[in-house]
Amino acid sequence: DQQVKQNSPSLSVQEGRISILNCDYTNSMFDYFLWYKKYPAEGPTFLISISSIKDKNEDGRFTVFLNKSAKHLSLHIVPSQPGDSAVYFCAARGTTSGTYKYIFGTGTRLKVLA
Amino acid sequence: DVKVTQSSRYLVKRTGEKVFLECVQDMDHENMFWYRQDPGLGLRLIYFSYDVKMKEKGDIPEGYSVSREKKERFSLILESASTNQTSMYLCASSVPGTGLRANVLTFGAGSRLTVL
Repeated sequence: DQQVKQNSPSLSVQEGRISILNCDYTNSMFDYFLWYKKYPAEGPTFLISISSIKDKNEDGRFTVFLNKSAKHLSLHIVPSQPGDSAVYFCAARGTTSGTYKYIFGTGTRLKVLA
Repeated sequence: DVKVTQSSRYLVKRTGEKVFLECVQDMDHENMFWYRQDPGLGLRLIYFSYDVKMKEKGDIPEGYSVSREKKERFSLILESASTNQTSMYLCASSVPGTGLRANVLTFGAGSRLTVL
């Protein structure tokens, strides 16, 4: 049962335009959400996060939006750059038996075309 | 910056071999995690640990065990490697608590394991 879903395996965007990556979740008890970026042959690197008590967090070109009623979050990258081409994972934090666990989505491969 | 080091970047092993994947972090983090990444499946949690000598099963622990004898080191063990354990293995660490830093997993570069 996939609790965190990224339904688009890939996305292509022209350089300078907006990239929107989407993520849906099923567990309303998740209290924190994160986005990670991963280049081939490297570990994921943290990009941006949002607490469940907020609906928006912005950091430079990256903005994450959270819609709790829809159990949906999205990552906006504006403007997109070729260096943004990578696989993006969303992750959610929940608790199991009183301890934190991080559940990841399946990833979306973003390709920014020059 | 926190550094999470995975000692082996690439390994090739034979079916039935015992495999050790080592992970060391240098920032005194309490929490450590092992994930595997497979195409179309994302990152799946194998085991995690919130303290020395403590371990908890993740979502796919079958065929794996872990060891945390020291705070900075978290080892993943494949007792008898099988071909379906061919994967990219990722170690991560974090601090506990409720602050912003507490929620960020820092990952190592990964260990690509091929089981023949």
